[in-house]
Amino acid sequence: KNQVEQSPQSLIILEGKNCTLQCNYTVSPFSNLRWYKQDTGRGPVSLTIMTFSENTKSNGRYTATLDADTKQSSLHITASQLSDSASYICVLLTGGGNKLTFGTGTQLKVEL
Amino acid sequence: KAGVTQTPRYLIKTRGQQVTLSCSPISGHRSVSWYQQTPGQGLQFLFEYFSETQRNKGNFPGRFSGRQFSNSRSEMNVSTLELGDSALYLCASSLGQWETDTQYFGPGTRLTVL
Repeated sequence: KNQVEQSPQSLIILEGKNCTLQCNYTVSPFSNLRWYKQDTGRGPVSLTIMTFSENTKSNGRYTATLDADTKQSSLHITASQLSDSASYICVLLTGGGNKLTFGTGTQLKVEL
Repeated sequence: KAGVTQTPRYLIKTRGQQVTLSCSPISGHRSVSWYQQTPGQGLQFLFEYFSETQRNKGNFPGRFSGRQFSNSRSEMNVSTLELGDSALYLCASSLGQWETDTQYFGPGTRLTVL
């Protein structure tokens, strides 16, 4: 079983709508949790980095939250745009800061 | 400021051959890390270099190796290629603090092993 599970696996929403992507993890403790956006055919782009003691971090229309008790993180996208269509990946830095565990990713498609 | 560059962008090799991929980090960045991305396994961490020293390593066989030069440029080498090595290889650079700094990824090198 993957230590970092993301849901849903894929999602289609209409432009302008909000959406929330989930990341459930079993690895503990961890140094930080990151969300990346990856456009097709391109390298990932960092959206947010949160330490285990932070609850929320925003980057424009992207807001990440972290609940250490339930071992869940969410990425909320507000007022979606066509350019938000991409894969979103949750990543945990564990093992004292020298091990990266990647989530399975959520493929988001924003349509007109 | 120029971003992370990787060369070549595409590469086709045959089983048993070896390959060297190159990564030039953003100017001033001293940490370079490498990743393998496949449809089946997703993103996986290979290793990270800082000041010409490998600081962190993922769970890949010894056929995968790397090095970093004094100008922070890094190379990754895969020997005795296998079909399963076909993947997108990404490198990322950061200022130096692997744990907290934002990582900037290059466009990747698409390796196909026939």
